[in-house]
Amino acid sequence: DIQMTQSPSSLSASVGDRVTITCQASQDISNYLNWYQQKPGKAPKLLIYDASNLETGVPSRFSGSGSGTDFTFTISSLQPEDIATYYCQQYDNLPPTFGQGTKLEIK
Amino acid sequence: EVQLVESGGGLVQPGRSLRLSCAASGFTFDDYAMHWVRQAPGKGLEWVSGISWNSGSIGYADSVKGRFTISRDNAKNSLYLQMNSLRAEDTALYYCAKDRGGVGLSYFDYWGQGTLVTVSS
Repeated sequence: DIQMTQSPSSLSASVGDRVTITCQASQDISNYLNWYQQKPGKAPKLLIYDASNLETGVPSRFSGSGSGTDFTFTISSLQPEDIATYYCQQYDNLPPTFGQGTKLEIK
Repeated sequence: EVQLVESGGGLVQPGRSLRLSCAASGFTFDDYAMHWVRQAPGKGLEWVSGISWNSGSIGYADSVKGRFTISRDNAKNSLYLQMNSLRAEDTALYYCAKDRGGVGLSYFDYWGQGTLVTVSS
């Protein structure tokens, strides 16, 4: 199975900050990488697909980049409603695998 | 509006069986692959199983292979997960998720709210 390693595991930032989360795959996955947001008590929500494509309706402060094994997820200006856990997920190979998650908190 | 509503969860003893259902609406169900993804309490996301639009392609996580069976009924817009020989480590919130595509695996663009399965004596 392809292992997905996210960092950091948790992050505290202030409103308006630029926030960056990284995700590293254990092998080349091209751009088959998605990002999800999960708010407490809620189902995950797709934010970014194919590494850099913004899902319809998702605010433009969210973005993604990368290819191969190294990927980055960025919130350009953190908002209070962005408090959540963020997961990366690869779909290059079965089984699809998720990173362990990054819990984002407001400082 | 796409809706996915899971049901069938509950408390079950180790070794017993449970069948989960997911009722889909708001989209053409038989155009899309569907998946089950679970989340143990306080833990991350784990893909469990997926099925293509016509049930021609099915996959399972190694952790459930041979014990769980995914199926769908396109006439009823429903997805199922038959879970046998349940173990304590199967305790989780089980989400039904829609794939963006129909055949292979891509990404999960809609999720239900989940149904909780607790395996305990």
